[in-house]
Amino acid sequence: AQSVTQPDIHITVSEGASLELRCNYSYGATPYLFWYVQSPGQGLQLLLKYFSGDTLVQGIKGFEAEFKRSQSSFNLRKPSVHWSDAAEYFCAVGFGNDMRFGAGTRLTVKP
Amino acid sequence: NAGVTQTPKFQVLKTGQSMTLQCAQDMNHNSMYWYRQDPGMGLRLIYYSASEGTTDKGEVPNGYNVSRLNKREFSLRLESAAPSQTSVYFCASSGRTGGWNSPLHFGNGTRLTVT
Repeated sequence: AQSVTQPDIHITVSEGASLELRCNYSYGATPYLFWYVQSPGQGLQLLLKYFSGDTLVQGIKGFEAEFKRSQSSFNLRKPSVHWSDAAEYFCAVGFGNDMRFGAGTRLTVKP
Repeated sequence: NAGVTQTPKFQVLKTGQSMTLQCAQDMNHNSMYWYRQDPGMGLRLIYYSASEGTTDKGEVPNGYNVSRLNKREFSLRLESAAPSQTSVYFCASSGRTGGWNSPLHFGNGTRLTVT
């Protein structure tokens, strides 16, 4: 069955440190992949998306993600985290008429 | 520049009561969606509407009904609320024309508590 797994429920990083959030998917065909961010009490905002082409995609707020077909992964990275990046992050896969979401990773940023 | 607008933002219901969640988008999108968000489970699709006049069940449709009133509006109705429907509900729309060539755009959500 098609699924999206985010192995880390909660991650804490220090401000200025690098960040990597993991995402693995199970999907037979070439996937449409997305990362969204959700601040408390808000809806989800698109960070970046991958459809085809260059496997390293750039998004908003300095985020990037790399699609690795051999590992069925689409990990999100940021070289230097800012306090305003504290939020919940969701990986998603477009599947049929549905977009399937992972359970989310909550990011805490230490001063 | 409203995007997707949901009302109400908060609602408390007693078991057995009914209510309708309203959603409107101003991006001229064909597709609209209702998701529910529960802790540790991400978002799950309740119903969607690929175009005006059509609706289809998603992953968790039981206990809900929807109406695509026109191209802009897509409402979600709970006929007889149950505590298991306590959740945060998100409406979304997409300009997708095939596959997922266009992402979802979300409203700010409705936090529903059923006691």
